[in-house]
Amino acid sequence: EVQLVESGGDLVQPGGSLRLSCVASGFSFSSYWMTWLRQAPGKGLEWVANIKQDGSARNYLDSVKGRFTISRDNAKSSLYLEMNTLRAEDTAVYYCAPYDTSRGGLDYWGQGTLVTVSS
Amino acid sequence: DIQMTQSPSSVSASVGDRVTITCRASQGISSWLAWYQQKPGKAPKLLIYAASNLQTGVPSKFSGSGSGTDFSLTISSLQPEDSATYYCQQANSFPLTFGPGTKVDIK
Repeated sequence: EVQLVESGGDLVQPGGSLRLSCVASGFSFSSYWMTWLRQAPGKGLEWVANIKQDGSARNYLDSVKGRFTISRDNAKSSLYLEMNTLRAEDTAVYYCAPYDTSRGGLDYWGQGTLVTVSS
Repeated sequence: DIQMTQSPSSVSASVGDRVTITCRASQGISSWLAWYQQKPGKAPKLLIYAASNLQTGVPSKFSGSGSGTDFSLTISSLQPEDSATYYCQQANSFPLTFGPGTKVDIK
Protein backbone atom coordinates (compact mmCIF):
# COMPACT_ATOMS: atom_id res chain seq x y z
CA GLU A 1 0.00 0.00 0.00
CA VAL A 2 1.32 3.43 -0.96
CA GLN A 3 1.73 5.82 1.96
CA LEU A 4 2.98 9.38 2.06
CA VAL A 5 3.23 10.99 5.47
CA GLU A 6 3.94 14.70 5.65
CA SER A 7 5.07 16.42 8.84
CA GLY A 8 6.65 19.62 10.06
CA GLY A 9 3.76 22.03 9.64
CA ASP A 10 3.32 24.59 12.39
CA LEU A 11 2.34 28.13 13.29
CA VAL A 12 5.22 30.46 12.44
CA GLN A 13 5.66 34.22 12.40
CA PRO A 14 6.14 36.12 9.14
CA GLY A 15 9.80 35.97 8.16
CA GLY A 16 10.26 32.67 9.95
CA SER A 17 11.38 29.27 8.69
CA LEU A 18 10.09 25.71 8.64
CA ARG A 19 11.23 22.38 7.27
CA LEU A 20 8.60 20.00 5.96
CA SER A 21 9.24 16.28 5.57
CA CYS A 22 7.46 13.57 3.63
CA VAL A 23 8.20 9.90 4.20
CA ALA A 24 7.09 7.56 1.41
CA SER A 25 6.50 3.83 1.32
CA GLY A 26 4.84 1.26 -0.90
CA PHE A 27 6.37 2.38 -4.20
CA SER A 28 9.78 2.87 -5.75
CA PHE A 29 10.51 6.36 -4.39
CA SER A 30 13.77 6.76 -6.30
CA SER A 31 12.01 6.16 -9.63
CA TYR A 32 9.76 9.21 -9.45
CA TRP A 33 9.97 12.93 -9.67
CA MET A 34 8.59 14.14 -6.34
CA THR A 35 6.36 17.15 -5.91
CA TRP A 36 5.21 19.53 -3.21
CA LEU A 37 1.80 21.15 -3.67
CA ARG A 38 -0.26 23.37 -1.42
CA GLN A 39 -3.81 24.47 -0.83
CA ALA A 40 -4.60 27.68 1.01
CA PRO A 41 -7.70 27.57 3.23
CA GLY A 42 -10.81 27.48 1.05
CA LYS A 43 -8.75 27.83 -2.14
CA GLY A 44 -7.61 25.65 -5.01
CA LEU A 45 -4.56 23.50 -5.59
CA GLU A 46 -1.15 25.00 -6.35
CA TRP A 47 2.03 23.24 -7.42
CA VAL A 48 5.00 24.50 -5.39
CA ALA A 49 8.12 22.61 -6.44
CA ASN A 50 9.41 19.34 -7.78
CA ILE A 51 12.66 17.43 -7.91
CA LYS A 52 14.01 14.86 -10.34
CA GLN A 53 14.71 11.29 -9.31
CA ASP A 54 18.43 11.88 -8.67
CA GLY A 55 18.03 15.46 -7.45
CA SER A 56 19.77 16.85 -10.54
CA ALA A 57 16.84 19.07 -11.53
CA ARG A 58 14.47 21.17 -9.45
CA ASN A 59 11.65 23.50 -10.40
CA TYR A 60 9.89 26.10 -8.28
CA LEU A 61 6.79 28.25 -8.34
CA ASP A 62 7.93 31.81 -9.07
CA SER A 63 6.58 33.15 -5.78
CA VAL A 64 8.73 30.75 -3.72
CA LYS A 65 11.95 30.90 -5.74
CA GLY A 66 14.85 31.93 -3.54
CA ARG A 67 12.86 31.23 -0.37
CA PHE A 68 12.01 27.50 -0.61
CA THR A 69 14.37 24.60 -1.29
CA ILE A 70 13.23 21.12 -2.23
CA SER A 71 15.49 18.14 -1.54
CA ARG A 72 15.27 14.38 -1.23
CA ASP A 73 17.03 11.42 0.35
CA ASN A 74 16.37 8.31 -1.71
CA ALA A 75 18.01 6.06 0.88
CA LYS A 76 15.36 7.19 3.37
CA SER A 77 12.51 7.51 0.81
CA SER A 78 12.08 11.03 2.08
CA LEU A 79 11.28 14.39 0.54
CA TYR A 80 11.88 17.74 2.17
CA LEU A 81 10.88 21.36 1.75
CA GLU A 82 12.97 24.01 3.46
CA MET A 83 10.87 27.15 3.76
CA ASN A 84 12.47 30.49 4.64
CA THR A 85 11.25 34.08 4.82
CA LEU A 86 7.70 32.84 5.18
CA ARG A 87 4.83 35.13 4.27
CA ALA A 88 1.16 35.14 5.22
CA GLU A 89 0.33 34.00 1.69
CA ASP A 90 2.31 30.79 2.27
CA THR A 91 -0.36 29.67 4.73
CA ALA A 92 -1.73 26.41 3.37
CA VAL A 93 -1.93 22.66 3.69
CA TYR A 94 1.18 21.26 2.03
CA TYR A 95 1.01 17.92 0.24
CA CYS A 96 3.70 15.71 -1.23
CA ALA A 97 3.05 13.48 -4.23
CA PRO A 98 5.03 11.39 -6.71
CA TYR A 99 4.74 12.67 -10.26
CA ASP A 100 4.44 10.12 -13.03
CA THR A 101 5.99 11.82 -16.06
CA SER A 102 4.81 9.05 -18.39
CA ARG A 103 1.18 9.69 -17.51
CA GLY A 104 1.20 13.27 -16.23
CA GLY A 105 -0.71 12.53 -13.08
CA LEU A 106 -0.13 12.76 -9.36
CA ASP A 107 -1.20 9.25 -8.46
CA TYR A 108 -0.94 9.37 -4.70
CA TRP A 109 -1.13 12.14 -2.14
CA GLY A 110 -0.30 12.36 1.54
CA GLN A 111 -2.76 13.69 4.11
CA GLY A 112 -1.04 17.06 4.15
CA THR A 113 0.56 19.20 6.82
CA LEU A 114 -0.72 22.65 7.78
CA VAL A 115 1.57 25.65 7.69
CA THR A 116 0.17 28.82 9.23
CA VAL A 117 2.12 32.06 8.90
CA SER A 118 0.77 34.64 11.29
CA SER A 119 1.89 37.00 14.02
CA ASP B 1 2.85 29.47 -17.62
CA ILE B 2 -0.20 27.63 -18.94
CA GLN B 3 -3.46 28.93 -17.48
CA MET B 4 -6.33 26.53 -16.85
CA THR B 5 -9.97 27.51 -16.65
CA GLN B 6 -12.98 25.40 -15.70
CA SER B 7 -16.70 25.76 -16.16
CA PRO B 8 -19.05 25.83 -14.48
CA SER B 9 -17.60 26.90 -11.14
CA SER B 10 -20.38 24.97 -9.44
CA VAL B 11 -23.18 22.67 -10.45
CA SER B 12 -26.12 21.23 -8.56
CA ALA B 13 -27.68 18.12 -10.04
CA SER B 14 -29.97 15.27 -9.07
CA VAL B 15 -29.03 11.69 -8.34
CA GLY B 16 -28.80 9.84 -11.65
CA ASP B 17 -28.09 12.95 -13.72
CA ARG B 18 -25.27 13.15 -16.20
CA VAL B 19 -22.84 15.91 -15.27
CA THR B 20 -20.16 17.36 -17.54
CA ILE B 21 -17.37 19.72 -16.47
CA THR B 22 -15.19 21.47 -19.00
CA CYS B 23 -11.58 22.58 -18.73
CA ARG B 24 -9.69 24.82 -21.11
CA ALA B 25 -5.94 25.39 -21.40
CA SER B 26 -4.46 28.71 -22.49
CA GLN B 27 -2.35 26.88 -25.06
CA GLY B 28 -2.29 23.43 -26.59
CA ILE B 29 -1.32 20.66 -24.20
CA SER B 30 -1.97 17.63 -26.41
CA SER B 31 -3.49 15.04 -24.05
CA TRP B 32 -1.47 16.03 -21.02
CA LEU B 33 -4.40 16.56 -18.72
CA ALA B 34 -5.47 14.99 -15.45
CA TRP B 35 -8.64 15.22 -13.38
CA TYR B 36 -8.89 15.01 -9.59
CA GLN B 37 -11.72 14.70 -7.10
CA GLN B 38 -11.40 16.32 -3.69
CA LYS B 39 -13.78 15.92 -0.79
CA PRO B 40 -13.76 18.32 2.17
CA GLY B 41 -10.83 17.78 4.50
CA LYS B 42 -9.30 15.14 2.25
CA ALA B 43 -6.41 15.03 -0.19
CA PRO B 44 -7.21 15.07 -3.91
CA LYS B 45 -7.70 11.75 -5.68
CA LEU B 46 -6.59 11.13 -9.26
CA LEU B 47 -9.51 10.10 -11.48
CA ILE B 48 -8.28 10.49 -15.04
CA TYR B 49 -4.81 10.86 -16.58
CA ALA B 50 -3.71 11.60 -20.14
CA ALA B 51 -7.12 13.16 -20.79
CA SER B 52 -9.11 9.96 -21.08
CA ASN B 53 -7.45 7.18 -19.12
CA LEU B 54 -9.24 5.97 -16.02
CA GLN B 55 -7.02 5.58 -12.98
CA THR B 56 -7.02 2.08 -11.50
CA GLY B 57 -9.89 1.60 -9.08
CA VAL B 58 -11.91 4.59 -10.28
CA PRO B 59 -15.51 3.72 -11.24
CA SER B 60 -16.29 3.66 -14.94
CA LYS B 61 -19.03 6.27 -14.46
CA PHE B 62 -16.19 8.78 -14.71
CA SER B 63 -14.86 9.50 -18.18
CA GLY B 64 -12.63 12.11 -19.74
CA SER B 65 -12.20 13.40 -23.25
CA GLY B 66 -10.51 16.10 -25.26
CA SER B 67 -7.14 17.15 -26.59
CA GLY B 68 -5.33 20.34 -27.46
CA THR B 69 -7.00 23.05 -25.42
CA ASP B 70 -10.49 21.74 -24.62
CA PHE B 71 -11.29 18.90 -22.27
CA SER B 72 -14.21 17.51 -20.35
CA LEU B 73 -14.95 15.24 -17.40
CA THR B 74 -18.30 13.43 -17.35
CA ILE B 75 -20.02 11.67 -14.50
CA SER B 76 -22.54 9.42 -16.23
CA SER B 77 -24.93 8.88 -13.33
CA LEU B 78 -24.42 11.17 -10.36
CA GLN B 79 -24.48 9.57 -6.93
CA PRO B 80 -24.38 11.18 -3.46
CA GLU B 81 -20.76 10.07 -2.97
CA ASP B 82 -19.75 12.12 -6.03
CA SER B 83 -20.41 15.36 -4.17
CA ALA B 84 -16.95 16.99 -4.26
CA THR B 85 -14.79 19.57 -5.97
CA TYR B 86 -13.20 18.53 -9.24
CA TYR B 87 -9.93 19.97 -10.58
CA CYS B 88 -8.18 19.67 -13.90
CA GLN B 89 -4.38 19.87 -14.12
CA GLN B 90 -2.12 20.27 -17.12
CA ALA B 91 1.00 18.14 -17.33
CA ASN B 92 2.39 19.51 -20.59
CA SER B 93 5.05 21.65 -18.94
CA PHE B 94 6.32 22.93 -15.61
CA PRO B 95 4.96 24.61 -13.63
CA LEU B 96 2.10 22.15 -13.38
CA THR B 97 -1.05 24.23 -13.15
CA PHE B 98 -4.57 23.49 -11.98
CA GLY B 99 -7.97 24.81 -12.87
CA PRO B 100 -9.87 26.71 -10.16
CA GLY B 101 -12.18 23.79 -9.46
CA THR B 102 -15.82 22.87 -10.02
CA LYS B 103 -17.96 22.13 -7.01
CA VAL B 104 -20.55 19.42 -7.63
CA ASP B 105 -23.51 19.23 -5.26
CA ILE B 106 -26.50 16.95 -5.08
CA LYS B 107 -29.92 18.60 -5.29
